[in-house]
Amino acid sequence: SAVISQKPSRDICQRGTSLTIQCQVDSQVTMMFWYRQQPGQSLTLIATANQGSEATYESGFVIDKFPISRPNLTFSTLTVSNMSPEDSSIYLCSVEEYNAVGEQYFGPGTRLTVT
Amino acid sequence: GIQVEQSPPDLILQEGANSTLRCNFSDSVNNLQWFHQNPWGQLINLFYIPSGTKQNGRLSATTVATERYSLLYISSSQTTDSGVYFCAVLPNAGNNRKLIWGLGTSLAVNP
Repeated sequence: SAVISQKPSRDICQRGTSLTIQCQVDSQVTMMFWYRQQPGQSLTLIATANQGSEATYESGFVIDKFPISRPNLTFSTLTVSNMSPEDSSIYLCSVEEYNAVGEQYFGPGTRLTVT
Repeated sequence: GIQVEQSPPDLILQEGANSTLRCNFSDSVNNLQWFHQNPWGQLINLFYIPSGTKQNGRLSATTVATERYSLLYISSSQTTDSGVYFCAVLPNAGNNRKLIWGLGTSLAVNP
């Protein structure tokens, strides 16, 4: 399976600032996804990162708050903009490979705390 | 939409005990995955199991798609098994790639 890395692994940020999270995969993948996991909760899909076009956002998530880029088949970024303490979560990148449709693998996550 | 329910929500075991975690889903699915989230937040793929039975060491899983449930068996539990176990399904509807997640089973294995 693909090896996925995320940077940073954790950060503590001031409210009102923005943080960009990077997701790098060691091989080309078909699909890349961004999830949020609030403390003690299950995972919530933020958006599907589309290569070369705008991301597809889930209900409740908007591009102005969570801009996403995917310039190629191995890399994506998620920005959490104008942060508030409610944005404190683990943010996870996942991928789906060409030969494993419907099976997702996850990066190590970014643990964000907003003060 | 499809509902995914996991039970029990919490489980405490003594090291060496066996356990069974359950995942029920309300509609037909294209696939089902079991994950373990360790205390550091890393999600680890355990099984990709849309149907049938698989085993990997002390862990095994069975999905009975016609009856819409999956079971995860943990035998001879170890403290490193602690964490949250999630079940996630891909509904059998069009070209949707969105996984639907259960709320998880939080497992604590005591030495």
